Amino acid sequence: GNSVTQMEGPVTLSEEAFLTINCTYTATGYPSLFWYVQYPGEGLQLLLKATKADDKGSNKGFEATYRKETTSFHLEKGSVQVSDSAVYFCALRQIQGAQKLVFGQGTRLTINP
Amino acid sequence: NAGVMQNPRHLVRRRGQEARLRCSPMKGHSHVYWYRQLPEEGLKFMVYLQKENIIDESGMPKERFSAEFPKEGPSILRIQQVVRGDSAAYFCASSASFDNEQFFGPGTRLTVL
Repeated sequence: GNSVTQMEGPVTLSEEAFLTINCTYTATGYPSLFWYVQYPGEGLQLLLKATKADDKGSNKGFEATYRKETTSFHLEKGSVQVSDSAVYFCALRQIQGAQKLVFGQGTRLTINP
Repeated sequence: NAGVMQNPRHLVRRRGQEARLRCSPMKGHSHVYWYRQLPEEGLKFMVYLQKENIIDESGMPKERFSAEFPKEGPSILRIQQVVRGDSAAYFCASSASFDNEQFFGPGTRLTVL
């Protein structure tokens, strides 16, 4: 079946550090890939997405590239801020059939000033 | 345009009671998804509904759980005879069509005593 595996947290960085959160997936066909962010006490917000191989999703300084050959969608940001502290979820959705999102377990990120 | 609304935000029930969780999708959205997030885990799909129809309930426990999305009014996730293991955050998402972006509500945090 479809699954998503994320880098285990928690991750703690200093402000302005470089961020990478690894995400790999298992799926049949060519799913769409997503990164969601969850701030404390809130629901999930879509951060970025990519729908086909080699697409790069980007938003708010974050980016991720859909790598079919390595089945990966790693999240990166060049210089993190305290306000980036949140839980980040990688997810996939099949193009055909069921429209449910399949999520990774989440990575808690804390940025210290 | 109001986002996805869920109520209550927090719900406390004793073992054996019933829990009713409500979700009002974004205006113009007729597709609703329910996900459950157990502590320190990712979200797991439960059920996908369109107006008056259950499209995919592959993630719903076989007993005690039911969902509906009537022609008028919010979608309801109902849990009968709650047990401590039902304690979780329940998130609703809505979309305009089956392959459009899912927008998430703030969630209902259910605590079973």
